[in-house]
Amino acid sequence: AQSVAQPEDQVNVAEGNPLTVKCTYSVSGNPYLFWYVQYPNRGLQFLLKYITGDNLVKGSYGFEAEFNKSQTSFHLKKPSALVSDSALYFCAVSLYGNNRLAFGKGNQVVVIP
Amino acid sequence: SQTIHQWPATLVQPVGSPLSLECTVEGTSNPNLYWYRQAAGRGLQLLFYSVGIGQISSEVPQNLSASRPQDRQFILSSKKLLLSDSGFYLCAWSPAGLAGSETQYFGPGTRLLVL
Repeated sequence: AQSVAQPEDQVNVAEGNPLTVKCTYSVSGNPYLFWYVQYPNRGLQFLLKYITGDNLVKGSYGFEAEFNKSQTSFHLKKPSALVSDSALYFCAVSLYGNNRLAFGKGNQVVVIP
Repeated sequence: SQTIHQWPATLVQPVGSPLSLECTVEGTSNPNLYWYRQAAGRGLQLLFYSVGIGQISSEVPQNLSASRPQDRQFILSSKKLLLSDSGFYLCAWSPAGLAGSETQYFGPGTRLLVL
């Protein structure tokens, strides 16, 4: 079975500083990896995904993530955080041919003005 | 473009009452459809998924059921609500077939409070 770990409950960062949200995964096979963002009382918005190819994936709103197979990680990054990036961020994993997504518990990101 | 709708947005129901939440998708055909529950503002639990009309897979045993009466309509139901059914219910869709089907797109959600 696939699983995802997001080790930090909350990430605090000053506006303008780099933002990193950590994610590690466990699967028996080649993973599909995703990041979603959720604003209060809203559904999840898709940010980016890794399927195959280049390990550095670029997504919406200036976010990017790097797939690291040896460390089984898929950390989300943004070079310069905005106050509007404050939200709940979810990492998720699935396998080819299996559309079941396993989500991490989520990270609350707080960007301080 | 594709859009996904859920209603109602918010629902307050007494324990023991029935439930019906609706999800519809526009702008695509034969989507894969999913129901998730999010408790306490955090982790998501997959409840049901469907690859076609009348085809429902249940992920966890519970007080809820799902139906897909039409291609782009997915309904979550209960005959008698429990307090533990409170939560934020999210519907999602992904494209049919293998190419692109790995990415799920979520609706706005329904907040259910059982009293």
